[in-house]
Amino acid sequence: QKEVEQDPGPLSVPEGAIVSLNCTYSNSAFQYFMWYRQYSRKGPELLMYTYSSGNKEDGRFTAQVDKSSKYISLFIRDSQPSDSATYLCAGSSASKIIFGSGTRLSIRP
Amino acid sequence: EAGVTQSPTHLIKTRGQQATLRCSPISGHTSVYWYQQALGLGLQFLLWYDEGEERNRGNFPPRFSGRQFPNYSSELNVNALELEDSALYLCASSEFFGTSSYNEQFFGPGTRLTVL
Repeated sequence: QKEVEQDPGPLSVPEGAIVSLNCTYSNSAFQYFMWYRQYSRKGPELLMYTYSSGNKEDGRFTAQVDKSSKYISLFIRDSQPSDSATYLCAGSSASKIIFGSGTRLSIRP
Repeated sequence: EAGVTQSPTHLIKTRGQQATLRCSPISGHTSVYWYQQALGLGLQFLLWYDEGEERNRGNFPPRFSGRQFPNYSSELNVNALELEDSALYLCASSEFFGTSSYNEQFFGPGTRLTVL
């Protein structure tokens, strides 16, 4: 079993829709949870990170972690074509980051 | 401020050859991480160096090795290349605040390795 599982998609939604991206994980030692965005032919860039369970909001993006169910979510409000990218969830412990395989998201104008 | 840089951008090798990939971290960062991103597999952790020492290693064979230089730049070497080594190799750097702290990793653009 992979330590972080993520549906690869692709996911296609119309502009302005709310997007929900989800991951599950199995490693109870994870303390930090991250979402990265990766555009084609670029390295991943950090969107948000959270410590333990809870919600964190940054503009149109909200990250949620539920440690009891080992579930990680990212919500994107008012999605834009520029949000089209691959989104990677990740868990971290002792400076080692384990990534999900990424979900390819496409926002249709 | 300059970000993480990697060279070369693309590298084409044949089976059995050796590949050397290079990474320069962000100024002030002492930790360098290497990841392999193969199609459909996400990022797989390869190696972590901090202050010139190997701190952690992912589940890869010994033919994947590397080092970190006194200026904190790093090199990844892949010996006896196999077809399945074809992937994007990403380097990331961070400051290091301890293993219990969050050490944000900043990624470079990657080196695309193709093994023929």
